[in-house]
Amino acid sequence: GAVVSQHPSRVICKSGTSVKIECRSLDFQATTMFWYRQFPKQSLMLMATSNEGSKATYEQGVEKDKFLINHASLTLSTLTVTSAHPEDSSFYICSALAGGMRETQYFGPGTRLLVL
Amino acid sequence: DAKTTQPNSMESNEEEPVHLPCNHSTISGTDYIHWYRQLPSQGPEYVIHGLTSNVNNRMASLAIAEDRKSSTLILHRATLRDAAVYYCILRATGRRALTFGSGTRLQVQP
Repeated sequence: GAVVSQHPSRVICKSGTSVKIECRSLDFQATTMFWYRQFPKQSLMLMATSNEGSKATYEQGVEKDKFLINHASLTLSTLTVTSAHPEDSSFYICSALAGGMRETQYFGPGTRLLVL
Repeated sequence: DAKTTQPNSMESNEEEPVHLPCNHSTISGTDYIHWYRQLPSQGPEYVIHGLTSNVNNRMASLAIAEDRKSSTLILHRATLRDAAVYYCILRATGRRALTFGSGTRLQVQP
């Protein structure tokens, strides 16, 4: 199957700092990538849809100025959590849409963010 | 998006078949049925998907009811590595994102 990587796998930062998370599709091109967030013992919640070369589309309640998304190439999307606060601590997971007839989403391994 | 209903948890013994049910009574004619699973502290993993006909792949089989109001994911021989949360998701035409419910937590006993 298609492989999606994320970097870093875990990060600890101080409150008020910004953190960038990278999502890469390693063996396929993805015009569309998605960012999800998962709090402990909860399911995944879609944050935003990232389209290569255009602005991301954010879900209701997700602040676009706080969660900056850049999808500059067909294999890379980045999520920057700006001015992170402890309530932003979560498991952030990206996925990439493999095109063609199947249009299957392949997920990255996730990034665990802890804001102190 | 049409809603799916799954049991919160199920148990199985190693090397036995597992049938994970999913109800989706409000499914529309063009909704695909997707199954993903998530192991602890990992991103979801694609398992299988289908539209109307039963589907088989190396991981599992998907049995879809004739009226499409329910489906069953079949793991033919459960292993300890199959312990995970299994999500049944309907993907609506034109909506490319996935909406995750609470899924079924499968425990596999040795």
